[in-house]
Amino acid sequence: DAGVIQSPRHEVTEMGQEVTLRCKPISGHDYLFWYRQTMMRGLELLIYFNNNVPIDDSGMPEDRFSAKMPNASFSTLKIQPSEPRDSAVYFCASSFNPGVLHFGNGTRLTVT
Amino acid sequence: AQSVSQHNHHVILSEAASLELGCNYSYGGTVNLFWYVQYPGQHLQLLLKYFSGDPLVKGIKGFEAEFIKSKFSFNLRKPSVQWSDTAEYFCAALTNAGKSTFGDGTTLTVKP
Repeated sequence: DAGVIQSPRHEVTEMGQEVTLRCKPISGHDYLFWYRQTMMRGLELLIYFNNNVPIDDSGMPEDRFSAKMPNASFSTLKIQPSEPRDSAVYFCASSFNPGVLHFGNGTRLTVT
Repeated sequence: AQSVSQHNHHVILSEAASLELGCNYSYGGTVNLFWYVQYPGQHLQLLLKYFSGDPLVKGIKGFEAEFIKSKFSFNLRKPSVQWSDTAEYFCAALTNAGKSTFGDGTTLTVKP
């Protein structure tokens, strides 16, 4: 079991650029979550999917953020255009049924 | 709306001291409760979970938590902390809709 795999581990980009974060959940898990972690706001749920279908995207900050899950083994979180206030660590997590979350190592995003 | 409150933002203890971190949740339905730990620079990992049954649950590394339904609480305890317990601790509540809500986290610093 390779665990939840996120890429890239670090991303540094300039304001206005498009950023794409990637996640491969644990095989067999049917829930996938995207969280954002900052010092100011802690751990925030952005969106989650069940069987590849978005269930709740109420945490997505604004239209600049979008997430997709084209199949059971892959999800992306896209920010376009990026802004400095998007700088954070973005975690992907998966679970089997609603249950214990298994987190990836996160992507540290810095927008300058 | 579902919410989780952690009362202590930063706790500083000496080694061998006892630990109790508070967690209260707000949700009227069936809820599953978790404590996760995040060591510096790492992703969140499960410490322990409560789904049903014995309200006193034991987790890894000597941690335990008690579910008190009447108080909507799920406090984390450890009789004797170690320097290696220095980390951030998150309480989380999972509803049967599949959504996990996290508290703001408590940073524990254990002085050697």
